[in-house]
Amino acid sequence: GAGVSQTPSNKVTEKGKYVELRCDPISGHTALYWYRQSLGQGPEFLIYFQGTGAADDSGLPNDRFFAVRPEGSVSTLKIQRTERGDSAVYLCASSINRGSTEAFFGQGTRLTVV
Amino acid sequence: SQQGEEDPQALSIQEGENATMNCSYKTSINNLQWYRQNSGRGLVHLILIRSNEREKHSGRLRVTLDTSKKSSSLLITASRAADTASYFCATRGSGAGSYQLTFGKGTKLSVIP
Repeated sequence: GAGVSQTPSNKVTEKGKYVELRCDPISGHTALYWYRQSLGQGPEFLIYFQGTGAADDSGLPNDRFFAVRPEGSVSTLKIQRTERGDSAVYLCASSINRGSTEAFFGQGTRLTVV
Repeated sequence: SQQGEEDPQALSIQEGENATMNCSYKTSINNLQWYRQNSGRGLVHLILIRSNEREKHSGRLRVTLDTSKKSSSLLITASRAADTASYFCATRGSGAGSYQLTFGKGTKLSVIP
């Protein structure tokens, strides 16, 4: 596609449930990033992929969060046992390679845990 | 954790005026970037300035960087109502493996027609 695509755009889930958020990066972009943005804050880094491997997952808040990118393209962010504090907009970005300067962001998935 | 701090947190100006937003950061950087965000969703890249550059222009945008003070400013000249958005600075660290961007909390700009 022309840009980074994230699905769903909105997700409401009950506390304790499992959710998956999908990111489809720009074709040919090898670097993929996940960020989380709470209301009134800037995006906070979660995890970065170079190709299929997670090159840096230091931003994941705890072991309930996990992300994969099995074929080096689409990535899925998985959250287990969701908590109300997980409510935020989850943003995905991609760039041509890890040294590339500009990151292209998707429109985000707004996750609400009730 | 977030590295940068934007100043002011909110800015309201009349159409046609200039808008200046400032950003401070804490650690050494490879480059600093400014992004724009409408309605709390996707971010759009505006401009990038490298650590060895002091000033950069793009259309109505002017960015300055002072690495000795660890600060940057974004100037939008002749503002338009369509410039209303939140603006974030983001830094890319200079260390090996520093590939992610670290964002500030943003400045919410309102341009009144």
